[in-house]
Amino acid sequence: ETGVTQTPRHLVMGMTNKKSLKCEQHLGHNAMYWYKQSAKKPLELMFVYNFKEQTENNSVPSRFSPECPNSSHLFLHLHTLQPEDSALYLCASSQSGGGTDTQYFGPGTRLTVL
Amino acid sequence: GENVEQHPSTLSVQEGDSAVIKCTYSDSASNYFPWYKQELGKRPQLIIDIRSNVGEKKDQRIAVTLNKTAKHFSLHITETQPEDSAVYFCAASMRSQGNLIFGKGTKLSVKP
Repeated sequence: ETGVTQTPRHLVMGMTNKKSLKCEQHLGHNAMYWYKQSAKKPLELMFVYNFKEQTENNSVPSRFSPECPNSSHLFLHLHTLQPEDSALYLCASSQSGGGTDTQYFGPGTRLTVL
Repeated sequence: GENVEQHPSTLSVQEGDSAVIKCTYSDSASNYFPWYKQELGKRPQLIIDIRSNVGEKKDQRIAVTLNKTAKHFSLHITETQPEDSAVYFCAASMRSQGNLIFGKGTKLSVKP
């Protein structure tokens, strides 16, 4: 698959579990993003990495921990989540950060926290 | 804080009619305005975008207009088809935050 890929596509976890979401982009982009998409809410930006450096952290709880080892890979480590964290988590990438380049989205990970 | 308002939240039209979705933004320095379409169970995909140096852009049945003075922009879909049914999101670049801010989305239903 080309473009932006995400694994797993679906994840069910208990509140005491630790899991990780993975995102990979094959577009040669330098910026990567994590968004949370809940029902009846706009896309909420969680984290931004530009050239592997975190440039944005929108007051996200510490139970979400991002990691960007290189420009092509982005992880979201999850631990001790709450049921209200159940949502679709979307990864995106763009040529550069700053908000003025087109963002390309992955298919998302549908997360359910029991 | 900076935000983007999108209306309506739901829109139902007959096949062949036109659909218009409107967004307003708060940051006068915003200069990039993309529109995304998200079909059920799929990822958001860019369908058209406009930058602040133009007032209108068209791509077949889809057009976007921008009024920088009033700080609003609109998506126009003509000759709608059932496959246009989806949720549409507008977004605006926010200079203060250096990122895109998205509207809440419009669920468009096109009835055959």
